[in-house]
Amino acid sequence: EVQLVESGGGLVQPGRSLRLSCAASGFTFDDFAMHWVRQVPGKGLEWVSGINWNSGYTAYADSVKGRFTISRDNGKSALFLQMNSLRPEDTALYYCSRGFNGLRLGMGYWGQGTLVTVSS
Amino acid sequence: QTVVTQEPSLTVSPGGTVTLTCACSTGPVTSDYYPNWFQQKPGQAPRTLIYLTNNKHSWTPARFSGSLLGGKAALTLSGAQPEDEAEYYCLLYCGGAQVFGGGTKLTVL
Repeated sequence: EVQLVESGGGLVQPGRSLRLSCAASGFTFDDFAMHWVRQVPGKGLEWVSGINWNSGYTAYADSVKGRFTISRDNGKSALFLQMNSLRPEDTALYYCSRGFNGLRLGMGYWGQGTLVTVSS
Repeated sequence: QTVVTQEPSLTVSPGGTVTLTCACSTGPVTSDYYPNWFQQKPGQAPRTLIYLTNNKHSWTPARFSGSLLGGKAALTLSGAQPEDEAEYYCLLYCGGAQVFGGGTKLTVL
């Protein structure tokens, strides 16, 4: 059974940093692209970032480019999102999602999310 | 800025058929936009229903189908059930990035 478990969310002040993690199990992690997607409570979904199977290609939404960094550790079946210079508008539920064998192809499985609140 | 547009809300009668659509501001949607469709119920994470235009997951009810229709991606629900009431999001690769639509709130009434 595919499982994606996010962690690392919490309350952080504007301008500070936070690192999200996603522990994956139930599939061969390095066969798939991975993504982070966020959702402000009560609002729609926003794609944040994606990484291909071997970290050779990463992509970011314009809203986070230059502030967020996606990475993965295939040996530990883990996905990360380093979030720097956080802003109040980054407040959202952050989902880890398993893609397919290409970064552009979308998302097949989702975690339950971890909540990030940026506030002073 | 690339925009993906969905109907904000639709209503379908139980047992009825409804089609949700998904358009990209850059032009007609093709299979190279890799359309995905997701269902989200209140308090739950999204769940993928359709990927790569018309492929279903093992858990996707047979009454859901994906297609391309009139330059848009489409999700058709045939024989709506009360449990299909939810928010539906599409995802396209358009304008060089993954972009979600704003969502369609589907009411079964």
